[in-house]
Amino acid sequence: AQTVTQSQPEMSVQEAETVTLSCTYDTSESDYYLFWYKQPPSRQMILVIRQEAYKQQNATENRFSVNFQKAAKSFSLKISDSQLGDAAMYFCAYRSAKDDKIIFGKGTRLHILP
Amino acid sequence: DADVTQTPRNRITKTGKRIMLECSQTKGHDRMYWYRQDPGLGLRLIYYSFDVKDINKGEISDGYSVSRQAQAKFSLSLESAIPNQTALYFCATSDATGLSRNQPQHFGDGTRLSIL
Repeated sequence: AQTVTQSQPEMSVQEAETVTLSCTYDTSESDYYLFWYKQPPSRQMILVIRQEAYKQQNATENRFSVNFQKAAKSFSLKISDSQLGDAAMYFCAYRSAKDDKIIFGKGTRLHILP
Repeated sequence: DADVTQTPRNRITKTGKRIMLECSQTKGHDRMYWYRQDPGLGLRLIYYSFDVKDINKGEISDGYSVSRQAQAKFSLSLESAIPNQTALYFCATSDATGLSRNQPQHFGDGTRLSIL
């Protein structure tokens, strides 16, 4: 069975600095999709970035980028120039291309220090 | 209007009561899901449905039931609520046909349920 592990329950970063949130996963599948979601205090689940496993190029969305290491089964999220509005819970998620099962990590709460 | 609407937004009730949480969507997606979120545990899948006649148990289905009344509606019921079902509940939809598998799930704004 697939698993998703976020090893950092909480992190803090100074405003304008860069922070990396880690995510590792376990799967025997070769085709799958990975996502990072942000959950601010409003509790909405907001997509931050997505990565297809068959793509070697790391996804980037403005200040957000990923470091996707397929062999290591690692999918970390880098936030550059951190802003106060980035403070939230961040969830890593795995989606199987085979049976469409979607599994979430336990989350990392990110604090932005002014 | 939101694409995925959950009602109610918040609910406080007593142990033993029957509770129904409702979810409706305007995205036209076939697939709908119910999750619960607990602090430190992330989101755990309760039930999911890939079309109107399809219901599947997720990771933590005990104590819950669902009904897929139409493509756009998927409700979650707690037949006899207990305090450890206090949580934040999310409904989500997805379109998983072929090329759209890289699309994310779309979530409602959640229902915070407290059982006293």
